[in-house]
Amino acid sequence: DTAVSQTPKYLVTQMGNDKSIKCEQNLGHDTMYWYKQDSKKFLKIMFSYNNKELIINETVPNRFSPKSPDKAHLNLHINSLELGDSAVYFCASSQGFRRVPEETQYFGPGTRLLVL
Amino acid sequence: QQQVKQSPQSLIVQKGGISIINCAYENTAFDYFPWYQQFPGKGPALLIAIRPDVSEKKEGRFTISFNKSAKQFSLHIMDSQPGDSATYFCAPLETGANNLFFGTGTRLTVIP
Repeated sequence: DTAVSQTPKYLVTQMGNDKSIKCEQNLGHDTMYWYKQDSKKFLKIMFSYNNKELIINETVPNRFSPKSPDKAHLNLHINSLELGDSAVYFCASSQGFRRVPEETQYFGPGTRLLVL
Repeated sequence: QQQVKQSPQSLIVQKGGISIINCAYENTAFDYFPWYQQFPGKGPALLIAIRPDVSEKKEGRFTISFNKSAKQFSLHIMDSQPGDSATYFCAPLETGANNLFFGTGTRLTVIP
């Protein structure tokens, strides 16, 4: 029944490893997002896809690569993990992207990534 | 991120008191002004939002006040309860623009 789900919930890994975080939404939304929240709770948009098309690609290291196999899924792959990548990563979705002001975003529960 | 400035960074309020969180923005093209609430270990969730054609919107104990000329909007929580303890984010939007800005967050603690 979860609207936006993410796996895994926790991810502890060594520096230099490659890891993926998966996101799925069952709301029938067209737009999905990835956010990074650091230890100070700053929330920053990383990517956004609308109907599998990349529409927001903020300045993030190219070690981060989003992949959208279909409208309901947006995965985040991270290569060569670094200590500074430790954060909580949130996936979100919305009906559309800015067609009307009230495009509410629904957030997943987050993936807590710790790089050792 | 400098387009949106949120204050205070943290706030401690007694149960029953009024919590006030402010958000100042620079982009006059913003046309929707939501507040999100985030509980520990959870993702943010939309709490209340306002369009710029009204100056105030109230939903239960939560009120948004909007001042277009000052480019500010604020969240007021009346009769604050311990269950309101969370981090609050403003996230003004511009229809059609490919950007997203969240405020820096305000950690609210309501003391019983």
